[in-house]
Amino acid sequence: RKEVEQDPGPFNVPEGATVAFNCTYSNSASQSFFWYRQDCRKEPKLLMSVYSSGNEDGRFTAQLNRASQYISLLIRDSKLSDSATYLCVVTQSDTGRRALTFGSGTRLQVQP
Amino acid sequence: GAGVSQSPRYKVAKRGQDVALRCDPISGHVSLFWYQQALGQGPEFLTYFQNEAQLDKSGLPSDRFFAERPEGSVSTLKIQRTQQEDSAVYLCASSGGNQPQHFGDGTRLSIL
Repeated sequence: RKEVEQDPGPFNVPEGATVAFNCTYSNSASQSFFWYRQDCRKEPKLLMSVYSSGNEDGRFTAQLNRASQYISLLIRDSKLSDSATYLCVVTQSDTGRRALTFGSGTRLQVQP
Repeated sequence: GAGVSQSPRYKVAKRGQDVALRCDPISGHVSLFWYQQALGQGPEFLTYFQNEAQLDKSGLPSDRFFAERPEGSVSTLKIQRTQQEDSAVYLCASSGGNQPQHFGDGTRLSIL
């Protein structure tokens, strides 16, 4: 079983739609959580960090449920430019190991 | 440039050849990471440096993989006696302090 699991999609949604992605992680020692965005044939880029209290950045809302080991990302009012693969990422902070553990990604295609 | 620079951008090698991939991190970044990304998957951790010290190499898939960062800046990932399953995108990331990791564009390696 992979340490971080995501639905690979693709999610095909019309412009303006609201779409939600979910992710589960298996290591209860995970300390930090992120969503990264990766465009086709490009490098991953940090979209936002995820905090237990939930956090919002414009049209994007991320939430973390430590008890269920579950992370979500909500995108409101989808734009064509949101089309990408969204990677759920966790990391441990013990003993200076800060390697990122990535899920396989969820592909989003926003259609006109 | 201000970002993480990787070279070459593309590398084609015959099975059995040795290859060397270079990463130039953001100036002043202490931490440097190598990841391997297979097609359709998220990046997977290979190894981590703090300055010139290789603190974690638990992700290296075999003893054919070797990484170094002798002066605590530029890093080289070397793969000896390449095999077809080594075909992937190799991503380098750097970070300063406890800041998010910034990724380079990657080297796309194809083994024929």
